[in-house]
Amino acid sequence: SAVISQKPSRDICQRGTSLTIQCQVDSQVTMMFWYRQQPGQSLTLIATANQGSEATYESGFVIDKFPISRPNLTFSTLTVSNMSPEDSSIYLCSVVNKNYGYTFGSGTRLTVV
Amino acid sequence: QQQVKQSPQSLIVQKGGISIINCAYENTAFDYFPWYQQFPGKGPALLIAIRPDVSEKKEGRFTISFNKSAKQFSLHIMDSQPGDSATYFCAGNAGNMLTFGGGTRLMVKP
Repeated sequence: SAVISQKPSRDICQRGTSLTIQCQVDSQVTMMFWYRQQPGQSLTLIATANQGSEATYESGFVIDKFPISRPNLTFSTLTVSNMSPEDSSIYLCSVVNKNYGYTFGSGTRLTVV
Repeated sequence: QQQVKQSPQSLIVQKGGISIINCAYENTAFDYFPWYQQFPGKGPALLIAIRPDVSEKKEGRFTISFNKSAKQFSLHIMDSQPGDSATYFCAGNAGNMLTFGGGTRLMVKP
């Protein structure tokens, strides 16, 4: 399965600022996914990022708040903009391999103060 | 809209016992049902998965039982070990989109 490197692993940010999270995959993949996992909760899909097209956002998530870039088949970034304490979560990127083998990064633990 | 309901939320099992986690789904378009194991500070890791044309799949101590007519599936962990203590998530896939259950925090006592 693919190996995902996600950076940073954790950060503490001031409210009103933005944080960009990077996701690097060791192989070319068509689809990359960004999830949010609030403390003690399950995973919720934020958006799907395909190379060469705009990301597709799920209900409740908007591009102005969570802009995504996908410049090539091995890399994507998620920015959490104008952060508030409610954005404190773990953010995870994921890729899907052949036969639906989804692989997840280790996540970025974000705390907004 | 919670399309995958998972129970129990937490589970305590003695070492050597059987851990059972249940999931029920609503979306009949799901064509793949994985289970993920997540340790603190780590991302979810695929544990075992099943497709709806199979009623059971076993890999080592882990077994998925699948009931398509009831739209339910379960994870059985045999001979549970303290190292199995983690959070477990079931999920359903439709159209390259995973929908997760709420998670079960398993603690295996030595």
